[in-house]
Amino acid sequence: GQQLNQSPQSMFIQEGEDVSMNCTSSSIFNTWLWYKQDPGEGPVLLIALYKAGELTSNGRLTAQFGITRKDSFLNISASIPSDVGIYFCAGLPPNFGNEKLTFGTGTRLTIIP
Amino acid sequence: DADVTQTPRNRITKTGKRIMLECSQTKGHDRMYWYRQDPGLGLRLIYYSFDVKDINKGEISDGYSVSRQAQAKFSLSLESAIPNQTALYFCATSDQPIGQGATQYFGPGTRLTVL
Repeated sequence: GQQLNQSPQSMFIQEGEDVSMNCTSSSIFNTWLWYKQDPGEGPVLLIALYKAGELTSNGRLTAQFGITRKDSFLNISASIPSDVGIYFCAGLPPNFGNEKLTFGTGTRLTIIP
Repeated sequence: DADVTQTPRNRITKTGKRIMLECSQTKGHDRMYWYRQDPGLGLRLIYYSFDVKDINKGEISDGYSVSRQAQAKFSLSLESAIPNQTALYFCATSDQPIGQGATQYFGPGTRLTVL
């Protein structure tokens, strides 16, 4: 099955730093979603994007749907300890209807004391 | 109480055994999903259901079967477990199609180990 290329795989930052991660695909998507997963829990939706070029914010988080429909990025500003976790992108390809999400491989964010 | 619950949370079994993972939800959603998560691979869709009479295969349905016993319950079965089915399994629900603005709500996961 198709996988999204998500980078970086891991990030080690200090509290207060800004964070940027992205997902790319060789195929186009109609929807891009960004999730966060904490240890021992299921993913939680952070931001959803439905139109090429769309830029959406959720507090300190900002995500964009790439113009080519083949990529998306997520930025976190002024990181805090509760931002630690694994971040996943996910996309809905147009030819699979509205249910078969393709997930990225995840970016593990660690905050160094 | 959690809106989406999964039982068991952890299970160790042997090759060839039949295993059932259960998911219950109190959100009143019609749509339910089973995903599998492997290290370094992200989540992959196994099966999904729009209601008790509508079951659909996902990306990796081979070796799995499901049962939608009621709107609130969706079970995943491994008829004859094999070691490469060792993974973290998640159930999820939503009230609309994902591409039409719905939020998927995930359960806490079941960690399955097949020896």
